Order: sequence, then C-alpha cells, then structure tokens
Amino acid sequence: NAGVTQTPKFQVLKTGQSMTLQCAQDMNHEYMSWYRQDPGMGLRLIHYSVGAGITDQGEVPNGYNVSRSTTEDFPLRLLSAAPSQTSVYFCASSSGAGQWETQYFGPGTRLLVL
Amino acid sequence: KNEVEQSPQNLTAQEGEFITINCSYSVGISALHWLQQHPGGGIVSLFMLSSGKKKHGRLIATINIQEKHSSLHITASHPRDSAVYICAARIQGGSEKLVFGKGTKLTVNP
Repeated sequence: NAGVTQTPKFQVLKTGQSMTLQCAQDMNHEYMSWYRQDPGMGLRLIHYSVGAGITDQGEVPNGYNVSRSTTEDFPLRLLSAAPSQTSVYFCASSSGAGQWETQYFGPGTRLLVL
Repeated sequence: KNEVEQSPQNLTAQEGEFITINCSYSVGISALHWLQQHPGGGIVSLFMLSSGKKKHGRLIATINIQEKHSSLHITASHPRDSAVYICAARIQGGSEKLVFGKGTKLTVNP
C-alpha cells in the first residue's frame, strides 16, 4: 500500500492564483482530513470528510474548498491564494470506526504564496 | 489559553536518558493522541489512548483523565528519537474534533 499520498510536494503561487492540492489514500478509509501547520502553532483542521459525498468545515475553512467524489481522493482547492495561506498542508485518513481514530498522514505539501 | 498545552517546548537530552514530555488539556476529551513528526516533516501516529497506559517498544504513554494530563515517556533515548512530539486531544461533543498541542522538539545527542 502507498498509504496517503500528496501532490505536489512544494508549490509557489502568486497572490490571487488558484490551485488544487491532491490527496489520495489506498487503505479504503472513510475518514479524511486536511490540516495546515504554521510555525509556533499546532496543526489546525481545515476541512474533513466522513465518506464519499460528505464534507464539513474544520477550524480554519475560509479560502478553501473540498469535495469527496470517491473514497480514495480528497482534493483541497485554494480559490484565490493569499500570503496568509503560506503553510505546510497535511492530508490524513483515519482507520477504525470513528473519524478521529488513528490518523495516517501524508508527507505534506509546502505552499508559498507571494 | 490553548485547550491543549505541551511542556517543555524544547528538550535536549543525552543518549540513554529517560525522557518525559507532558500534555495537559482543559476540556473534556474522549481520547488523546500522541504523534511524532520527523525532521523531514512526516507525521506518524504513535498512540491513541483514553485511559491508563500504553507501551510500544521504548515508548510509553499514560493518561490521567481526572487530572486532565498525559505523558509520553521514552526510555533509553537514542539520537533517532530526535523529532517533534505532538499531542492531540479528541474533544467531547456532538461533532468531536482533534485539537493539537504546539509540539515538543526533542533533540537527543550522542
């Protein structure tokens, strides 16, 4: 199993550009989440999904959209990038019966918005 | 005040030392997670516990629900244990969520 994969690993955007961060898992996990990690702060939840077709907002959803058309994929869209969105983004999927069971993290995407 | 606090923020130890990292939380939780973030950035889940103690190799995690406190211990520390250790509390409620501490950066010198 590849586990949780994320692409790209690194991206530079200009303010106002849009892009999609890709996340995929091959463990047949129902639950997937997107986090951002900023210096001096803990991981913060952006959006999460409890199954295909179902998504919900986390702690810091503004400026981001998600969709979950398949169990495997959970892309994160930046609609109009802003410098405040410079961060490291982690996708995670959860095993077990609950959405917050053991989390498997992707390798992260480092995003720089100029 | 953050709902989840970790201490210390930074910790330097000599190889072989016994390490303790603390996590306290101020709200009701249903479980607590310990994660390890490697210097390259990857994050691995170490433990999830809701009571008592769990052990995996040289790592031991304990939780005291009444005192709202959890500890992560590393016995016979090794330079490869150098990483950031993060605790995350699963907050009780209708829509449970994970709240993360800021992490403890551990450096183990040979």
